[in-house]
Amino acid sequence: DTGVSQDPRHKITKRGQNVTFRCDPISEHNRLYWYRQTLGQGPEFLTYFQNEAQLEKSRLLSDRFSAERPKGSFSTLEIQRTEQGDSAMYLCASSSFAGGREQFFGPGTRLTVL
Amino acid sequence: AQRVTQPEKLLSVFKGAPVELKCNYSYSGSPELFWYVQYSRQRLQLLLRHISRESIKGFTADLNKGETSFHLKKPFAQEEDSAMYYCALHSHPGTASKLTFGTGTRLQVTL
Repeated sequence: DTGVSQDPRHKITKRGQNVTFRCDPISEHNRLYWYRQTLGQGPEFLTYFQNEAQLEKSRLLSDRFSAERPKGSFSTLEIQRTEQGDSAMYLCASSSFAGGREQFFGPGTRLTVL
Repeated sequence: AQRVTQPEKLLSVFKGAPVELKCNYSYSGSPELFWYVQYSRQRLQLLLRHISRESIKGFTADLNKGETSFHLKKPFAQEEDSAMYYCALHSHPGTASKLTFGTGTRLQVTL
């Protein structure tokens, strides 16, 4: 297992288009998190899954954003009708109950909305 | 609401000099604090957590509840310490919920 992976690593899209990102957590981790990071800021929490259940969502997650984790393994984050303000690095992290609260981060997907 | 403040965007020190990266937090409950580090072209990774009370790569951090601080310290900086450092707070001890991050401090160690 090479850790948390994210795909794609970079995405350039035009305003108004939909985009979807994928996150594959560490295989035995049942908890999965999405964060967003803009220039000069730390990561900001978006949403959290335990297995397939989405247990917490930030107010940052507008109705244009939706996240799923259908089988409790990989997760997808979709942004509909992208806006220039959505340009950011989208980070995924995972953790296990047995491992305490350490979160392992993926490399991120950098989104640029033109 | 919880908040983490890292007042310095950039800290530049000479090799061998002491390092202190500041972190203050606001949270009404009992927090759990972490330091994460991001080296150039690498992913964010955990450096240390306050409950472990351990030294990692020569770094230590003590939780001071009176001053609501969790400063990261190292007595002698090394070139390989150059990186982005984020202080983070876990706001629901006992559950696996979100981390609240500060804005980060870039540590630059020069010869």
